[in-house]
Amino acid sequence: SQQGEEDPQALSIQEGENATMNCSYKTSINNLQWYRQNSGRGLVHLILIRSNEREKHSGRLRVTLDTSKKSSSLLITASRAADTASYFCATDKEGNQFYFGTGTSLTVIP
Amino acid sequence: GAGVSQSPRYKVAKRGQDVALRCDPISGHVSLFWYQQALGQGPEFLTYFQNEAQLDKSGLPSDRFFAERPEGSVSTLKIQRTQQEDSAVYLCASSLGRGDTEAFFGQGTRLTVV
Repeated sequence: SQQGEEDPQALSIQEGENATMNCSYKTSINNLQWYRQNSGRGLVHLILIRSNEREKHSGRLRVTLDTSKKSSSLLITASRAADTASYFCATDKEGNQFYFGTGTSLTVIP
Repeated sequence: GAGVSQSPRYKVAKRGQDVALRCDPISGHVSLFWYQQALGQGPEFLTYFQNEAQLDKSGLPSDRFFAERPEGSVSTLKIQRTQQEDSAVYLCASSLGRGDTEAFFGQGTRLTVV
């Protein structure tokens, strides 16, 4: 069974708008990662945030982590059509493996 | 190689047939993971290797699934007596360290059991 759960399941926005996706997980973690998956392709790593961090930025991406609520959010600013993809959060268990959520399908309309 | 390579990209198997899926991780990567991804779902963990040691196989759905990484590099996921519910994309990932480092994914093998 999957550890995380993203919401919303699907999100459709206009190009230039910001997109926010949330991830909730069940057990304590060492770190949380966000991945992107384009249709029919493999997953691409976006950003890793450790359990002792609260916020991290990478380009147009901003990730927050609230370990007390067991939740994380991914914000994509100034979205582009190329950002259209599925986004997954992944949490580690005992530092050995990653457990993925169900994903958010993002559509950016040009 | 430049990235994680999986072969074949597509595999169609008749129900009951055995299949073998190959993963070439990034050279020097210690950790190797296998995932199963059904259509519209997130990847489900199958098994994890650290070098040649299979440290976790708790995600393998049945004893028909077997994975190996004999020399700590290339890994093979074998599925015996395939069934229709085995149809999915099988993803392989490798990372330099353990779970606290970025994992690089291959393109996956899409298995269709007919």
